[in-house]
Amino acid sequence: AQTVTQSQPEMSVQEAETVTLSCTYDTSESDYYLFWYKQPPSRQMILVIRQEAYKQQNATENRFSVNFQKAAKSFSLKISDSQLGDAAMYFCAYRRTNTGNQFYFGTGTSLTVIP
Amino acid sequence: DAGVIQSPRHEVTEMGQEVTLRCKPISGHNSLFWYRQTMMRGLELLIYFNNNVPIDDSGMPEDRFSAKMPNASFSTLKIQPSEPRDSAVYFCASSSGTGRPSPQHFGDGTRLSIL
Repeated sequence: AQTVTQSQPEMSVQEAETVTLSCTYDTSESDYYLFWYKQPPSRQMILVIRQEAYKQQNATENRFSVNFQKAAKSFSLKISDSQLGDAAMYFCAYRRTNTGNQFYFGTGTSLTVIP
Repeated sequence: DAGVIQSPRHEVTEMGQEVTLRCKPISGHNSLFWYRQTMMRGLELLIYFNNNVPIDDSGMPEDRFSAKMPNASFSTLKIQPSEPRDSAVYFCASSSGTGRPSPQHFGDGTRLSIL
């Protein structure tokens, strides 16, 4: 079974600085999707960014970007110019492309933004 | 477009009572997922459906839990009888199996408290 590992239970960053959240995964498949979700205190799960494994170009969404290293099975999230509203729990997720449509989530990283 | 709709938003009940959580997925999505989130265990997948058929229910804690999806626009998660350890936030999510990539869209969750 696929596993997703987030090795940093907690991270903190100074406002306006940059922070990188790590995520690694285990798979034998060559094509799959990866996602980062944000869960603020309101507990909504919000999609932040997505990456298709067959694309070499790293996905970017405004201040959020990923460093996708397929050979290393690594999918880190970089948040630039951190804002107070970025404080949340961040979950990395893996989705298979073949039958099943199942998602696998990491255990999450709690990000604190220091004013 | 309406997102995933869950009801109730909060539920407080006494142990032993039957609890029914409801979910309306996004129209056109053919996969539906039920998750449980606690501080101790994080986000756990309980069960998921493809085209209204349960695919994997290995995450269902025990026989007290049951889930149904009678049609493409409605699903329930039932706990009978409920116990204090069932207290958690329960999320429903839906996803489309077509299109690349297709993330999961989450409802706002039901916060369940069993006294």
